[in-house]
Amino acid sequence: QVTLKESGPGILQPSQTLSLTCTFSGFSLSTYGMGVGWIRQPSGKGLEWLANIWWDDDKYYNPSLKNRLTISKDTSNNQAFLKITNVDTADTATYYCARTFYYGYNYWGQGVMVTVSS
Amino acid sequence: EIVLTQSPTTMAASPGEKVTLNCLASSSVSYMNWYQQKSGASPKLWIYGTSNLASGVPNRFSGSGSGTSYSLTISSMEAEDVATYYCLQLSSYPWTFGGGTKLELK
Repeated sequence: QVTLKESGPGILQPSQTLSLTCTFSGFSLSTYGMGVGWIRQPSGKGLEWLANIWWDDDKYYNPSLKNRLTISKDTSNNQAFLKITNVDTADTATYYCARTFYYGYNYWGQGVMVTVSS
Repeated sequence: EIVLTQSPTTMAASPGEKVTLNCLASSSVSYMNWYQQKSGASPKLWIYGTSNLASGVPNRFSGSGSGTSYSLTISSMEAEDVATYYCLQLSSYPWTFGGGTKLELK
């Protein structure tokens, strides 16, 4: 049974760094073809793809976030991470992690709400 | 970046009505995925590889398309189909989602 769960700070101030953790079970990020991605969704709005990390440590980022993103993984502990530097109110959203295995995201976490406010 | 434009943005359908949701890509893509998101829930994979139904998806749903034009069709609308549907292209980075179509019951 594949599960993913996101965790984060809940609220943070502008200019701080947002650190998110995705803890998963039921698969391994060392399996050939496996990947984990991060997607966010501001309240009442659409989905925005942020980044992917693959079994071979290949990483891809959304260029619209201008080098603010860093994705990483800890295969031994079944976790993936996303950092977003220099946050502002536009980064307020629900953040999802999701597993991708050949066919795109087929398992999603429940999402974690992040609010950026002074 | 490939931009996906979904139409209509919102629509209402009566029970039993045939529904078609569209996703237009700014450049050709190899295939399209569709996701269903109900209010307050995470998105669910609904259709992958343009026309393959994800596990548990009723067979009144179908997907089709090629190149820059893709669609999701419901042969006979049911109340449980009320949701927002998003298309996602994985052909090239950055992966991109369409803006979504909100489907309501008439």
